[in-house]
Amino acid sequence: QKEVEQNSGPLSVPEGAIASLNCTYSDRGSQSFFWYRQYSGKSPELIMSIYSNGDKEDGRFTAQLNKASQYVSLLIRDSQPSDSATYLCAVYSGSARQLTFGSGTQLTVLP
Amino acid sequence: DTAVSQTPKYLVTQMGNDKSIKCEQNLGHDTMYWYKQDSKKFLKIMFSYNNKELIINETVPNRFSPKSPDKAHLNLHINSLELGDSAVYFCASSQEPPLGSGGSYEQYFGPGTRLTVT
Repeated sequence: QKEVEQNSGPLSVPEGAIASLNCTYSDRGSQSFFWYRQYSGKSPELIMSIYSNGDKEDGRFTAQLNKASQYVSLLIRDSQPSDSATYLCAVYSGSARQLTFGSGTQLTVLP
Repeated sequence: DTAVSQTPKYLVTQMGNDKSIKCEQNLGHDTMYWYKQDSKKFLKIMFSYNNKELIINETVPNRFSPKSPDKAHLNLHINSLELGDSAVYFCASSQEPPLGSGGSYEQYFGPGTRLTVT
């Protein structure tokens, strides 16, 4: 069983739409959650971190966390072609002291 | 100013050779990591060093050996390279939260080293 699962994708949205990326995790003790963006041939770039239940907004990005449901999501409002990338969900396990990544969701924003 | 840097960016070598990848961070972090990203883009932790001590050693072959001369540097040495070692290797760093807190601070990644074994 995968520890961090993301919707398989690929996901395509038109420019200006809202892109919704989802992630579930298995370790109930996890306390730290991150979203990374990775362009093709580049390194993962941290775009959001969230530690408590609820929403956290940063510009066009909103991260949502529901620890009871073991669910974290990323919403991208007013999607732009430059948002086209693979988005990686990462969950930190305090017991294992490591960050576990999902397999990523490839997002394409169509002009 | 590059926060996390790696050298070399590309490494092409033959099976059986020994090679090293170097990583340096200037963020003042006390923990550094090595990740492997395979052809399917799955990112997996290999090693973690906190204040020069190994705190994670995932089930990687012992041909891989991390070495940390100080908390700003973490090198990866690979012996007897195999075809399956071909991948992109990323170095990352973070500040370790207080023990027992259960949380984690953000990890920042280097540009990666694309290793091709022929």
